[in-house]
Amino acid sequence: GQQLNQSPQSMFIQEGEDVSMNCTSSSIFNTWLWYKQDPGEGPVLLIALYKAGELTSNGRLTAQFGITRKDSFLNISASIPSDVGIYFCAGRTGANSKLTFGKGITLSVRP
Amino acid sequence: DAMVIQNPRYQVTQFGKPVTLSCSQTLNHNVMYWYQQKSSQAPKLLFHYYDKDFNNEADTPDNFQSRRPNTSFCFLDIRSPGLGDAAMYLCATSRDLGSQAEQYFGPGTRLTVT
Repeated sequence: GQQLNQSPQSMFIQEGEDVSMNCTSSSIFNTWLWYKQDPGEGPVLLIALYKAGELTSNGRLTAQFGITRKDSFLNISASIPSDVGIYFCAGRTGANSKLTFGKGITLSVRP
Repeated sequence: DAMVIQNPRYQVTQFGKPVTLSCSQTLNHNVMYWYQQKSSQAPKLLFHYYDKDFNNEADTPDNFQSRRPNTSFCFLDIRSPGLGDAAMYLCATSRDLGSQAEQYFGPGTRLTVT
């Protein structure tokens, strides 16, 4: 089945730094979604991407749909303490297909 | 604000005692999903409803059932909870099943089995 690879499992950065996370697959995806999950809460949708090459921003967050349709990245600029959490990528291969999730990256921000 | 609501946020049940978790949505979305999420793992889809059509994932145990009495509400029933069923249960919705349909999650219910 389709798998989404996110690594490393954890990232540690200094407040104010930029950070980039990517998500890769051996399968082609038609949709990429990036979620952030805080402890004890449900995932919150950050950015949705629908077209190869698409670059979309949401405040300090920018995400891109890879041109090969097999990867996506999320960039967070000027990190702040509330950026701490688990970042999941998720993708769909087509209509009526279920959402496939990566294993998530836990981001820690040192003040 | 339109949203996905889950009640209760925390549920404690005894081994083998049936439990029901509830989800409601004000988004008027056609699709409602139930996911199970264990610690340090990604959410795992259990089943979904597209309107009144129920779609079970092949590896979802029979112990897990669901009901959707109307567009707004969906319930997860665990008939005989085992210790391994302790997890966060997430409800999500989407407008439809199209490839561009975004999924929105509720805050989750943390289930403890004693």
